Amino acid sequence: GEDVEQSLFLSVREGDSSVINCTYTDSSSTYLYWYKQEPGAGLQLLTYIFSNMDMKQDQRLTVLLNKKDKHLSLRIADTQTGDSAIYFCAEPDRGSTLGRLYFGRGTQLTVWP
Amino acid sequence: DTGVSQNPRHKITKRGQNVTFRCDPISEHNRLYWYRQTLGQGPEFLTYFQNEAQLEKSRLLSDRFSAERPKGSFSTLEIQRTEQGDSAMYLCASSSRGEGEQYFGPGTRLTVT
Repeated sequence: GEDVEQSLFLSVREGDSSVINCTYTDSSSTYLYWYKQEPGAGLQLLTYIFSNMDMKQDQRLTVLLNKKDKHLSLRIADTQTGDSAIYFCAEPDRGSTLGRLYFGRGTQLTVWP
Repeated sequence: DTGVSQNPRHKITKRGQNVTFRCDPISEHNRLYWYRQTLGQGPEFLTYFQNEAQLEKSRLLSDRFSAERPKGSFSTLEIQRTEQGDSAMYLCASSSRGEGEQYFGPGTRLTVT
């Protein structure tokens, strides 16, 4: 669980789709999370997916899970300038039942008008 | 507002001073987590409480750090003899169950000069 990896930067034009990718390490993770962090702020839970699902859609957000490759993605449709932020994927530590989360370094999404 | 709150939001202190931060979780959540986030990194786990019991501490939590949750409600994180390397954002999160979604507060940004 300690090596959650994400690409660091993504730039898109307003109105386009954004796809943020993440690889995680623990194939037994039951939930996987996406958080959003705006400058100087805490983390906002965006969405999560349970490991028995391949896809979850929530308004403009689509989460895809490929358990075989331990790959998680977050697609944001019709990206807006207000979506500019850092996006973190996170997986729980399965070494215990205490629920600590391991985070990637985050993907800085910049949306150009 | 029934979210997680943290105080103060910002703290500037001189090296060697002690500081204390407070976290008020979502009221019905019995699990409380402290994380630390440095620039360009994702949050890293520090410690965890279930009710008033501190059940896990990260190796990041040196002897200068102590956390309490005396009545199973709010929590405090104290750093003694602060060092410049302690400069970071300290985030608190709460959850109602293990591996459940964690809700974060706005964080306390500590600057040690």
